[in-house]
Amino acid sequence: EVQLLESGGHLVQPGGSLRLSCVASGFTFSNHAMSWVRQAPGKGLEWVSSISGSAGSTFYADSVKGRFTISRDNSKNTLSLQMNSLRGEDTAMYYCARNYDILTGYWSAFDYWGQGTLVTVSS
Amino acid sequence: IVLTQSPGTLSLSPGERATLSCRASQSVSSSSLAWYQQKPGQAPRLLIYGASRRATGIPDRFSGSGSGTDFTLTISRLEPEDFAVYYCQQYGTSPQAFGQGTKVEIK
Repeated sequence: EVQLLESGGHLVQPGGSLRLSCVASGFTFSNHAMSWVRQAPGKGLEWVSSISGSAGSTFYADSVKGRFTISRDNSKNTLSLQMNSLRGEDTAMYYCARNYDILTGYWSAFDYWGQGTLVTVSS
Repeated sequence: IVLTQSPGTLSLSPGERATLSCRASQSVSSSSLAWYQQKPGQAPRLLIYGASRRATGIPDRFSGSGSGTDFTLTISRLEPEDFAVYYCQQYGTSPQAFGQGTKVEIK
């Protein structure tokens, strides 16, 4: 059974940093691109970042480029998101998601999602 | 690419047919269009990918159609568990993008 378990979300002050993690199980982690998607309270879904299975390619939304860094450790089946210079508009539930297609990687939909970890940016 | 979903809210009764629209500001590459269902307090669930392919375990009352800039999610007969928010997503052009969602509520 595929499982994705996020952690690391909590209250942080504007300008602060936070590191989110997602531990995967139930599939060959290195075969799949992985992504982060966020959802502000009461709002819709926003794609944040993606990384290829080999970690050779990374992709970012303009809203987080230069502030967030996605990475993965395939030996530990772990996806991470380092978030710096946090702003109020980064307040959201952050979901880890698996890109389903092994061949197309990033260019595929998200077939499994974690339950999310909540990041609140406030003074 | 900007995705616009309509209507914003759809009020229907169980057993009725639901038709949700997703329009893209430019052509979606290779029909790289997905639909997700999200219920309160839950993560989204993939329903449809490649515009018309049902994901694993998705009932056949859910169907997707369309190409280019116009896509549709149809729920043939609404079950009580289908009342939720539905999002479309394009993943063929960077950056990926979601529509703003359509809420299907009980009338």
